[in-house]
Amino acid sequence: DARVTQTPRDKVTEMGQEVTMRCQPILGHNTVFWYRQTMMQGLELLAYFRNRAPLDDSGMPKDRFSAEMPDATLATLKIQPSEPRDSAVYFCASAPGLAGTEGDTQYFGPGTRLTVL
Amino acid sequence: EDKVVQSPLSLVVHEGDTVTLNCSYEVTNFRSLLWYKQEKKAPTFLFMLTSSGIEKKSGRLSSILDKKELFSILNITATQTGDSAVYLCAVYGGAQKLVFGQGTRLTINP
Repeated sequence: DARVTQTPRDKVTEMGQEVTMRCQPILGHNTVFWYRQTMMQGLELLAYFRNRAPLDDSGMPKDRFSAEMPDATLATLKIQPSEPRDSAVYFCASAPGLAGTEGDTQYFGPGTRLTVL
Repeated sequence: EDKVVQSPLSLVVHEGDTVTLNCSYEVTNFRSLLWYKQEKKAPTFLFMLTSSGIEKKSGRLSSILDKKELFSILNITATQTGDSAVYLCAVYGGAQKLVFGQGTRLTINP
């Protein structure tokens, strides 16, 4: 049963600390997305990658957020320094990225619940 | 700017009722529209629609797309308490980004 995995599931940290969230996409999927969800803003796209290359990170605060794919099985999202307003659930999703629209379906990981005090 | 609007934002019905959730969109170079169900965890995929007028069906859920009028509906018949969730509509547009609506919070009372 292939699924997207994320670690950690929960993270509580203090303002100013670095936070790293990790995602393992479904094997064979070549498109990876990072989302943030809050009660106020709903689901927001932060960044996405295709074949490990960043295609769009316009949804991400550049001064403190960074997203990378060191290899095809790992995507990371870092916040440095973290702030209380970064508190949210961060989802990773992967998609097959096929030429046809069947590849558009995204499969979400369980999310990382981040609390910055 | 690409935009997806869902209505109603919140809906409370009794078990057994039929509900219709709406999603309208404005995107450049429409590619597909997706419906997701989100309970307490991550969104789970329901349907992907790419062609007008072709109904997709899964059990008591069905959805259809109108590309001329730029909207989609999600129908749930004979609702059950397990259908209580937030239903998200999302559209792939020209930027190849998935743009989400605000969601409709559906509550089914026994």
